Amino acid sequence: GAGVSQTPSNKVTEKGKYVELRCDPISGHTALYWYRQSLGQGPEFLIYFQGTGAADDSGLPNDRFFAVRPEGSVSTLKIQRTERGDSAVYLCASSLGWGQGLTGELFFGEGSRLTVL
Amino acid sequence: QQQVKQSPQSLIVQKGGISIINCAYENTAFDYFPWYQQFPGKGPALLIAIRPDVSEKKEGRFTISFNKSAKQFSLHIMDSQPGDSATYFCAASMSAGNNRKLIWGLGTSLAVNP
Repeated sequence: GAGVSQTPSNKVTEKGKYVELRCDPISGHTALYWYRQSLGQGPEFLIYFQGTGAADDSGLPNDRFFAVRPEGSVSTLKIQRTERGDSAVYLCASSLGWGQGLTGELFFGEGSRLTVL
Repeated sequence: QQQVKQSPQSLIVQKGGISIINCAYENTAFDYFPWYQQFPGKGPALLIAIRPDVSEKKEGRFTISFNKSAKQFSLHIMDSQPGDSATYFCAASMSAGNNRKLIWGLGTSLAVNP
């Protein structure tokens, strides 16, 4: 696809359930980011992948959150034992990266809206 | 601790007017300052960005003014149009290895009246 694709666009789940959110970045983009956006707030950094490895996971709020990018393309954000406070829009962004004339511009998907009842 | 402080929270402007949104930052290590535009139900999209080696950058109707000594930067939207109605976020980042995670302001909801 031409842009960053995220699925599902909406997910309603019950407290305590397990959730997976998928991100398909722009082809060729080596950098991939997950952000979380709550209502009325700016995006909050969760994790950054460079290729297959999680280069910076300092934004993950606790060990219930985990993300993978096994082949350096598609990424999955996994949330275990969901809590009501996890309700937010989860945004994925990809980038060609920095240096050598690259600006590091982030291209965002439309997000996955998670509601935990 | 809000590292990037944005104001105002909301703004109403008449069509053809100038919209001005301000941001201030604390960390002098920041060296990249983008503005993102977000429409309801969509992800943020890069509008314009600046580095601290210049004081102003203009792209069409959008201008960033940067004041390094004051640690402030602002977005000016000239000849504002109803289609500009959206939420605007300023952000900042610094080089940390190869990670350029953005630190975001809280956003400004802009409404341009026809």
